[in-house]
Amino acid sequence: QVQLQESGPGLVKPSETLSLTCIVSGASVSSRFYYWSWTRRTPGKGLEWIGYIYSDGITNYNPSLKDRVTMSIDTSENQFSLRLTSVTAADTAVYYCQRGDNWFDPWGQGTLVTVSS
Amino acid sequence: SYELTQPPSVSVSPGQTASITCSGDNLGNKYTSWYQQKPGQSPVLVIYQDVKRPSGIPERFSGSNSGNTATLTISGTQAMDEADYYCQAWDSSTAIFGGGTQVTVL
Repeated sequence: QVQLQESGPGLVKPSETLSLTCIVSGASVSSRFYYWSWTRRTPGKGLEWIGYIYSDGITNYNPSLKDRVTMSIDTSENQFSLRLTSVTAADTAVYYCQRGDNWFDPWGQGTLVTVSS
Repeated sequence: SYELTQPPSVSVSPGQTASITCSGDNLGNKYTSWYQQKPGQSPVLVIYQDVKRPSGIPERFSGSNSGNTATLTISGTQAMDEADYYCQAWDSSTAIFGGGTQVTVL
């Protein structure tokens, strides 16, 4: 059974960098058949896709966020990560990681990140 | 930018059929996926590639996609189906989600 678990700080100050990691079990992030993705749920905008990364490091980001997003992957630790710079209150959301294959399945349980001083 | 439009809410009586629409320009030419999200839980894939059900998803969930509209149908709706439902498609290598539909089982 594939499981994903997000981890990272629950509180980030405005203008700082949000950093999250997703630990994968039951599957290998080295797989060439899937990509590894991040999506967030905000109160005002619903679900918003952030981007994905393949095992070889190739990335694809949402154009609305691409100037602030960086994703990385660590095949030795079977995990992948998200960095979002220059955060504002609008980045307050529940962040989810997923495995992707044109669709997203499964999803991690999600982690709430609040941007506040 | 591409948009997917869903009705904010749908109400259905137990045992009846709920239909949730998702509209987008030429959506029928794209694959649509549907996700169910219950309060405090993460989204769960219920339909992918327009009509396919993942293992473990009840047969009462079905999907269709034609023209500008994709539809998620829940036949014989049960109280446990009360949740938010989101459609999702890809446009220009960007994943797009609909705004979500809250399904209430009265």
